[in-house]
Amino acid sequence: QQKVQQSPESLIVPEGAMTSLNCTFSDSASQYFAWYRQHSGKAPKALMSIFSNGEKEEGRFTIHLNKASLHFSLHIRDSQPSDSALYLCAVRRNTGNYKYVFGAGTRLKVIA
Amino acid sequence: DMKVTQMPRYLIKRMGENVLLECGQDMSHETMYWYRQDPGLGLQLIYISYDVDSNSEGDIPKGYRVSRKKREHFSLILDSAKTNQTSVYFCASSLWDWGGYAEQFFGPGTRLTVL
Repeated sequence: QQKVQQSPESLIVPEGAMTSLNCTFSDSASQYFAWYRQHSGKAPKALMSIFSNGEKEEGRFTIHLNKASLHFSLHIRDSQPSDSALYLCAVRRNTGNYKYVFGAGTRLKVIA
Repeated sequence: DMKVTQMPRYLIKRMGENVLLECGQDMSHETMYWYRQDPGLGLQLIYISYDVDSNSEGDIPKGYRVSRKKREHFSLILDSAKTNQTSVYFCASSLWDWGGYAEQFFGPGTRLTVL
């Protein structure tokens, strides 16, 4: 059974700082990796995804994936108060039942 | 306008009562999901539906059943609700991804309280 763990559980950073969120997974056959962001009281919304080892950048957001170490991360450059939210990572194989397994989330607060 | 809707948004039921949560989407997505979200546990998959009448258990299906008779509509049913089913329930939909990746679009959630 896939286990997905996120760290830290919560994080407070000042506006303008670099924020790093981590996700580890247990199934080495995992193929698809995504981050979702959920503002308080709202629905989760897809942020970014990555499928192969390396790095992917979209604006202020960067994902790093290292399948060998069963780890991927999300980095937010120039963090803004509007980035304050619960960040959820999700992992999936490309075989079997095609189900995503989500981590418990990291709650980020960016202070102005 | 791509949208996933959920009804009702808030629901209070007594233990033992039946509960029906409804989900709709206007994107003609083949795949639909029901999750529950509890503090510290993230999103846990209850059921996944690959299309009409093609449903599969997720990680925590006990105490739940689903119905999908139309592609755009997916229902979650709790027969004889229990207090430990108090949670926020999210519905989501995505294109069938042919083994690749497809973004999930989530509804606004239903907050269910079972007394």
